[in-house]
Amino acid sequence: GAVVSQHPSRVICKSGTSVKIECRSLDFQATTMFWYRQFPKQSLMLMATSNEGSKATYEQGVEKDKFLINHASLTLSTLTVTSAHPEDSSFYICSARVLGSSNQPQHFGDGTRLSIL
Amino acid sequence: EDQVTQSPEALRLQEGESSSLNCSYTVSGLRGLFWYRQDPGKGPEFLFTLYSAGEEKEKERLKATLTKKESFLHITAPKPEDSATYLCAVQSSSTLTFGKGTMLLVSP
Repeated sequence: GAVVSQHPSRVICKSGTSVKIECRSLDFQATTMFWYRQFPKQSLMLMATSNEGSKATYEQGVEKDKFLINHASLTLSTLTVTSAHPEDSSFYICSARVLGSSNQPQHFGDGTRLSIL
Repeated sequence: EDQVTQSPEALRLQEGESSSLNCSYTVSGLRGLFWYRQDPGKGPEFLFTLYSAGEEKEKERLKATLTKKESFLHITAPKPEDSATYLCAVQSSSTLTFGKGTMLLVSP
């Protein structure tokens, strides 16, 4: 149980392109989903918390106009990297938590490797 | 500010050579401590949740323990397929904070 699917797994595109990443909870509902960024040999850094039916909460230093988040249903959140540039190249990972208290574990997707040329 | 420190950064073991990974933490109001396994190019895979000091959880060759200041992930008789990065994370009332992980390599 608690499977999270993330798509696409890899994107290579030109500078200036906007890229959309989908995160789906397949066998459970999630009012809250999370978006992380991970650099090589570094830990996961939380970018934003996605709340179903309301605006996302962004961490300090994360540009909300650059990283658009939509959480339209209890099983789907999307992250759009707008006008991507080479410095946006990274490994983006989403997670979701089963409905309930915050002491439940987050379950992660397999990540999206974004490469901007 | 919550902090998680994992040691060692990297660990190389021979198959069958048991060892332990450490996760030291400071957190205001621990809601849970989580262990994850991450394979290269993949997202973290959930292993264990520990909620209170003295608690232990086991799964195959892995056993996680918790005190008020640290958690250990004990690996008994590891196999090459146990090679991965193991991440520790602590949940406070508002935030999940990850350590940088321990990269484990088990050689045949």
